[in-house]
Amino acid sequence: QTVVTQEPSLTVSPGGTVTLTCASSTGAVTSGYYPNWFQQKPGQAPRALIYSTSNKHSWTPARFSGSLLGGKAALTLSGVQPEDEAEYYCLLYYGGARVFGGGTKLTVL
Amino acid sequence: QVQLQASGPGLVKPSETLSLTCTVSGYSISSGCYWGWIRQPPGKGLEWIGAIYHSGSTYYNPSLKSRVTISVDTSKNQFSLKLSSLTAADTAVYYCARDARGATWSFDYWGQGTLVTVSS
Repeated sequence: QTVVTQEPSLTVSPGGTVTLTCASSTGAVTSGYYPNWFQQKPGQAPRALIYSTSNKHSWTPARFSGSLLGGKAALTLSGVQPEDEAEYYCLLYYGGARVFGGGTKLTVL
Repeated sequence: QVQLQASGPGLVKPSETLSLTCTVSGYSISSGCYWGWIRQPPGKGLEWIGAIYHSGSTYYNPSLKSRVTISVDTSKNQFSLKLSSLTAADTAVYYCARDARGATWSFDYWGQGTLVTVSS
């Protein structure tokens, strides 16, 4: 059973920068896993932010960026806003299967 | 604008089969992309259930594969989920989404989700 691991929680100050990571139990995450990132606020459906490692959707704010970092997929928020407080999920493609990470609860404080 | 709307019963009894339908508007299923189901138990994370291509080709989560069937009806621009042998652990919000595997490799459009409670 493949497991995708994220930090359970992170805290960041308004205006600050934070990086969330996404690791695979199978080894290093590469672009071939096509990492996706989603934001979910309470009571809402997930909203897509990043696809294929670093590509932004047309609605993704510029302060969000995706990359590969130290064998993991990474989501960096620069100039964090209070409205960025949310749960963030990554997703990796494993051939035909897709696996979500457990989520990171981001607190803006 | 691509929109997805999941529909189905909100309450299902244990051991029964759940049937949900996702209606797509603003995009023809026949044009391509995979179409997927994801669920989220109350207070927990997202779990990928499976996906179907417009041709009918499917992928399923190995942990659910024995109980899941996903089908597509291109004439109605809909795809459906059946999950059998339900238990309380299947209580969750069920989402449908467009899964552009092989194209942009993104889950770009999501439905609003429908809460399914398994209880007698």
